Amino acid sequence: DAGITQSPRHKVTETGTPVTLRCHQTENHRYMYWYRQDPGHGLRLIHYSYGVKDTDKGEVSDGYSVSRSKTEDFLLTLESATSSQTSVYFCAISGGGGDEQYFGPGTRLTVT
Amino acid sequence: QQPVQSPQAVILREGEDAVINCSSSKALYSVHWYRQKHGEAPVFLMILLKGGEQKGHDKISASFNEKKQQSSLYLTASQLSYSGTYFCGTGRGGSNYKLTFGKGTLLTVNP
Repeated sequence: DAGITQSPRHKVTETGTPVTLRCHQTENHRYMYWYRQDPGHGLRLIHYSYGVKDTDKGEVSDGYSVSRSKTEDFLLTLESATSSQTSVYFCAISGGGGDEQYFGPGTRLTVT
Repeated sequence: QQPVQSPQAVILREGEDAVINCSSSKALYSVHWYRQKHGEAPVFLMILLKGGEQKGHDKISASFNEKKQQSSLYLTASQLSYSGTYFCGTGRGGSNYKLTFGKGTLLTVNP
């Protein structure tokens, strides 16, 4: 299994509070991604990174920001959480010689 | 724009075959297939690239029709372990990294 961890694995927070989710990899892969998964919508790309300090928006980036200061870490921040951001968030990595993406275990976020 | 998967759900008996389709209204560069079991992360199965190069799984096959912007995943002699939700992810514009996923096909294999 690819070495990807996500923290926290579960979080409950209140509307309006800031939240940061962390993705950590030990594979030295170039690309990292954040997806959200909601019933009926499948996986939707929030942001992705193609190198340290290089990031770009996905299809559902509003309300989210990211940072990548080291190859191994990719942070997703909700500046002011809303109930519509209740979801399961998956981090993924790719670029280790192949094109397939490897997913982390996911973070279940509930915004009350 | 999300690719469209069909069927949305399928129920099989062990040993039966299934085909899952993925179609896009936009020109595609690549199609990726993933399987996700309930409560787990998606797992890579197969990638098909424009030009015909194919990689992937030894018990599952797939096709990619570039002109029709369609891909099909073929599961033959299904096993109980094939149960899960199958997602296709499509790459466009030469990108094999920025994927757009379909909503998924729920496959249930019964004994």
